[in-house]
Amino acid sequence: QQQVKQSPQSLIVQKGGISIINCAYENTAFDYFPWYQQFPGKGPALLIAIRPDVSEKKEGRFTISFNKSAKQFSLHIMDSQPGDSATYFCAASGWSGSARQLTFGSGTQLTVLP
Amino acid sequence: GAVVSQHPSRVICKSGTSVKIECRSLDFQATTMFWYRQFPKQSLMLMATSNEGSKATYEQGVEKDKFLINHASLTLSTLTVTSAHPEDSSFYICSALPGLAGGGLYNEQFFGPGTRLTVL
Repeated sequence: QQQVKQSPQSLIVQKGGISIINCAYENTAFDYFPWYQQFPGKGPALLIAIRPDVSEKKEGRFTISFNKSAKQFSLHIMDSQPGDSATYFCAASGWSGSARQLTFGSGTQLTVLP
Repeated sequence: GAVVSQHPSRVICKSGTSVKIECRSLDFQATTMFWYRQFPKQSLMLMATSNEGSKATYEQGVEKDKFLINHASLTLSTLTVTSAHPEDSSFYICSALPGLAGGGLYNEQFFGPGTRLTVL
């Protein structure tokens, strides 16, 4: 199965709070796990990504935690701001035939209240 | 760097007409480009993988005769929606993968800004 399951579907957080989005995958051949941020009417933009040989990666207020044995990874947004309000997609990358492909999660609509 | 553009950003057409959407990698060469479709409040669904100089590979359930893909150069892929119908109305997004055929050492896809297609 090439699925990536993402939760929650929507999330409301107060300004300054921590936003946590979780994803789980099934295919152990996936070897790159990016998170994308998408604003309405725009294409997705890469936020942060991690490889499975690392358990955590932090870039500014954004942290990915990765649990290889559980096949789960999560995005933590510290000190959430209203400008972070967007839809977030986790994804998993792996080879499909002769090309690398991304499999996306279902998305999480984050609303940060001022 | 790594900018991908799409043209047009929005298009409205009548049912039965054909629409062409262009995807360009502006500052890198992309042997592989991808076309996605996104319905409101849903995730991106891969339609096809486009490799420069060869036929596109379509995902299951995507009609290759309806969604024509041409990857004529290392910086340009086009998606033509033929005989468009209202159910084809969607947000179409392309992405480009730098590097060697199939991605080589690169994992990261760079996404275009999307094209909103409305078929009346």
